[in-house]
Amino acid sequence: AQKITQTQPGMFVQEKEAVTLDCTYDTSDQSYGLFWYKQPSSGEMIFLIYQGSYDEQNATEGRYSLNFQKARKSANLVISASQLGDSAMYFCAMREGETSYDKVIFGPGTSLSVIP
Amino acid sequence: KAGVTQTPRYLIKTRGQQVTLSCSPISGHRSVSWYQQTPGQGLQFLFEYFSETQRNKGNFPGRFSGRQFSNSRSEMNVSTLELGDSALYLCASSIDSANTGELFFGEGSRLTVL
Repeated sequence: AQKITQTQPGMFVQEKEAVTLDCTYDTSDQSYGLFWYKQPSSGEMIFLIYQGSYDEQNATEGRYSLNFQKARKSANLVISASQLGDSAMYFCAMREGETSYDKVIFGPGTSLSVIP
Repeated sequence: KAGVTQTPRYLIKTRGQQVTLSCSPISGHRSVSWYQQTPGQGLQFLFEYFSETQRNKGNFPGRFSGRQFSNSRSEMNVSTLELGDSALYLCASSIDSANTGELFFGEGSRLTVL
């Protein structure tokens, strides 16, 4: 079974508008971490935001915020005021448990295109 | 400070050959993990090293191996290459084994097997 599901293979957004990228996850662990990474066409994975399972507040980093709904096992990424440079693949990822160290499971990704 | 450095960036091999990829983590980072990225399978975890010890391994055949040196630099090796091994291989480092550290990725090594 898929641990990380991203149901939107591709998304379009108008420049300066907000966009939400969906992510749902599956785990039986109480302790886990959720990440979002951006991958431009150059290939490098760029860390965007992190949410711990015990964090009560939704994480925010500049124009990025994570809408964390623990009961629904949902960790959607919200990008406000989209810019042309936001066009890229976006991956939701999860690190499970206390002893999983750096085994991080990635979702299939969502391709975001920002339209001028 | 310098980011994660992977070499070579691009390489072409033929079936049956072997390849070694190198990864230098960010200074001070002791954990190095490797991922394979293909259009069909997405990002898949290969293995993770910490202080020269492999702590985690993904579901890849024994042709895929790795090691980590005392300076935290890591190498991965793929023997008897197959066409399906064509992929972007990404290395990531993190500062410790805590469950909150982000992974810092290199730009990847793009392997083409002919």
